[in-house]
Amino acid sequence: AQKITQTQPGMFVQEKEAVTLDCTYDTSDPSYGLFWYKQPSSGEMIFLIYQGSYDQQNATEGRYSLNFQKARKSANLVISASQLGDSAMYFCAMRDFFSGGSNYKLTFGKGTLLTVNP
Amino acid sequence: EPEVTQTPSHQVTQMGQEVILRCVPISNHLYFYWYRQILGQKVEFLVSFYNNEISEKSEIFDDQFSVERPDGSNFTLKIRSTKLEDSAMYFCASRVNEKLFFGSGTQLSVL
Repeated sequence: AQKITQTQPGMFVQEKEAVTLDCTYDTSDPSYGLFWYKQPSSGEMIFLIYQGSYDQQNATEGRYSLNFQKARKSANLVISASQLGDSAMYFCAMRDFFSGGSNYKLTFGKGTLLTVNP
Repeated sequence: EPEVTQTPSHQVTQMGQEVILRCVPISNHLYFYWYRQILGQKVEFLVSFYNNEISEKSEIFDDQFSVERPDGSNFTLKIRSTKLEDSAMYFCASRVNEKLFFGSGTQLSVL
């Protein structure tokens, strides 16, 4: 069974600095996908970034990048130049190997609450 | 930018009542999902839907739950007889490729 671990319940960062949110995963499947989502206090779940296990390069989306270390089974999210609006809960999630095609079952971590200080 | 739209944003109902949560997935997406998040807990998969039928469902998705795509744009989740433990944020999601996009959620409160 897939498992996602986010060891940082809360993180603080100064505005304009970079921050890394940790995520480790456990799977025996050869193919999988990793996601990061942002959940502000308003509750919506916002897609940030996706990394496939066979992707050669680390994924980047604007100020977000995913530091994918396959051997260590880690998929850390790096947010550069933090902004006050980045304050939110951040979830790491993994797509099940058997979730190809129509099935797409994500396993989520418990989340990290990021607070950006002015 | 296209987005998944969910209505209502909040729903309050009495235990035993039926509720229907509505979603409009992104227009060119083919695969549709419902997830839920009980307050303070992890986001959990409920059901996946493709080609007008359920592809997979979790243990949570029992006979009280059903999904439907009544027309070309809407995707609904029905809970026939709500229980207190159904109180949660319900997220609809859709995708066409690897990226799964969620709606803003419906907060369901069962009293």
